[in-house]
Amino acid sequence: SQQGEEDPQALSIQEGENATMNCSYKTSINNLQWYRQNSGRGLVHLILIRSNEREKHSGRLRVTLDTSKKSSSLLITASRAADTASYFCATDGETGANNLFFGTGTRLTVIP
Amino acid sequence: DAGITQSPRHKVTETGTPVTLRCHQTENHRYMYWYRQDPGHGLRLIHYSYGVKDTDKGEVSDGYSVSRSKTEDFLLTLESATSSQTSVYFCAISDSTGTNQPQHFGDGTRLSIL
Repeated sequence: SQQGEEDPQALSIQEGENATMNCSYKTSINNLQWYRQNSGRGLVHLILIRSNEREKHSGRLRVTLDTSKKSSSLLITASRAADTASYFCATDGETGANNLFFGTGTRLTVIP
Repeated sequence: DAGITQSPRHKVTETGTPVTLRCHQTENHRYMYWYRQDPGHGLRLIHYSYGVKDTDKGEVSDGYSVSRSKTEDFLLTLESATSSQTSVYFCAISDSTGTNQPQHFGDGTRLSIL
């Protein structure tokens, strides 16, 4: 399977702390995306990073990509209770098909 | 939020019955996708469409069929539902090839097959 794997599976932090989630994948990619899912809702796109990029920022989010290690990390700085959600990475396949392959997610709980 | 509506939002049915889930979009996006989400598996692609009447299989297509007769509607059919198809089903859309564009998701259909 080309599915990515997030680590840790669950993370609990205090409001104001930083949260780091990692994603590892198995095949070569063209790009990698991160999504957030609030309980009972659909996924919301956060950020896309291309294989020739090493770091990307969006507000309080920072994503890194290391293609040599086939891994990515998502950092949320100064976390808020509203950041409580599951976070998923998604990669495309080396075939270049239209499919995205999602990991199993990290469940983040931010304690007020 | 992208204009994506999934119906029904919840459904309980019995093994062997046919089930059709509907995804409706108001964004005029070309690509539409059906995923299922199960604990321990993340989201897995069932089928996708790249235009009216143009569809293709995803990773877990067995037991499912799809149809797209209009740009705005993408239907997922379980011809004879089985308990293994109990899941949460998500529809997604994208404006271009999904791998280099974000996908926008509906809020899901929770399907229970008894």
